[in-house]
Amino acid sequence: DAGVIQSPRHEVTEMGQEVTLRCKPISGHDYLFWYRQTMMRGLELLIYFNNNVPIDDSGMPEDRFSAKMPNASFSTLKIQPSEPRDSAVYFCASSTGYGNQPQHFGDGTRLSIL
Amino acid sequence: RKEVEQDPGPFNVPEGATVAFNCTYSNSASQSFFWYRQDCRKEPKLLMSVYSSGNEDGRFTAQLNRASQYISLLIRDSKLSDSATYLCVVNRDNNDMRFGAGTRLTVKP
Repeated sequence: DAGVIQSPRHEVTEMGQEVTLRCKPISGHDYLFWYRQTMMRGLELLIYFNNNVPIDDSGMPEDRFSAKMPNASFSTLKIQPSEPRDSAVYFCASSTGYGNQPQHFGDGTRLSIL
Repeated sequence: RKEVEQDPGPFNVPEGATVAFNCTYSNSASQSFFWYRQDCRKEPKLLMSVYSSGNEDGRFTAQLNRASQYISLLIRDSKLSDSATYLCVVNRDNNDMRFGAGTRLTVKP
């Protein structure tokens, strides 16, 4: 079975550029999560969706960050404009949402803002 | 205070040793609990769920104490391949999962 698919795997771009990260959740999973991981702050939940609807975006650091889920099989996380402090690994995860099931993570996108 | 706190680590143990990790959580309404494993430069992967009565999966044993809001993971007969960071995860509700900072384990020959 295909797991959570993220793209790109690596992204290096200059400060001020727009960055778009993509995620395809596991088919049949109703919940989708975006996380950011850094050495200093660990794994942080940015936002999550249930049935394509954003439920909690309190973890989104600022207005430069936005996330969408236009359909059940695709989500994007955008950063515009990007800043060096946005450099991190961004993970997408999905789950069925039934009975507090665990989340399954994608391989992550390693983002470097120069 | 962080919602999920773990032993700071790192733990450096010889092969064959038994090692235990502890985790405490602050939200008494938390409903489910997990241990995840994360290898260097990889994504977190589910190691095991933690059940109220305690549960075992091979060399791994997880315990939950709801009264003390405490979770533990015991690894027996540790292998080199067990070297990783172990993340304690607490699910509050509606899949709102909170991750601990992780404890790094290095198993040495």
